[in-house]
Amino acid sequence: AQSVTQLDSQVPVFEEAPVELRCNYSSSVSVYLFWYVQYPNQGLQLLLKYLSGSTLVKGINGFEAEFNKSQTSFHLRKPSVHISDTAEYFCAVSAWMDSSYKLIFGSGTRLLVRP
Amino acid sequence: DTEVTQTPKHLVMGMTNKKSLKCEQHMGHRAMYWYKQKAKKPPELMFVYSYEKLSINESVPSRFSPECPNSSLLNLHLHALQPEDSALYLCASSQEGTSGATDTQYFGPGTRLTVL
Repeated sequence: AQSVTQLDSQVPVFEEAPVELRCNYSSSVSVYLFWYVQYPNQGLQLLLKYLSGSTLVKGINGFEAEFNKSQTSFHLRKPSVHISDTAEYFCAVSAWMDSSYKLIFGSGTRLLVRP
Repeated sequence: DTEVTQTPKHLVMGMTNKKSLKCEQHMGHRAMYWYKQKAKKPPELMFVYSYEKLSINESVPSRFSPECPNSSLLNLHLHALQPEDSALYLCASSQEGTSGATDTQYFGPGTRLTVL
């Protein structure tokens, strides 16, 4: 079964520092991966997605992610974070389950940006 | 317009009440979803409607009853809920639904439900 793992439950970082949020997936077939962000008291917003093609995916708000098939990873990066980036970040995979495609989420990583 | 709207934003109800959550999208999407999200957890899928027909029910208790009156509207009727049902209820929509592996789901802001 397809799944994603986010090993870091919380990542504290200082403002203007770079950050990497880790996501590893398990899949034996074609994989479609997503990163969503959830700001406090809000719904989820798509940051970026990997469907095929270039392994470096650029998203909104200066975020990017790299699909690495050999390491089964899809880590999210930003070169310089802002206070406003403080949020919960979810990695997800589109998985075929019970005769349907479903979005399977990781457990989430809370990014805490400090001044 | 990539907006999914949900009403109400907050809802407090007793265990004997009947209430409904409403979700609306005008993106022409053919699939709509209900998720339940507990604090510090990822969203859990509850129901999926594809082309106005219920295509997925993730073994949700019958005290939750979904309804899709048309392709733009999705309701979640609540009756005899338990305190453990308190959570953020998120609605989402996507272009193709459960047959679309690459579909992007667009989420609404959610309804914060508290059951007393």
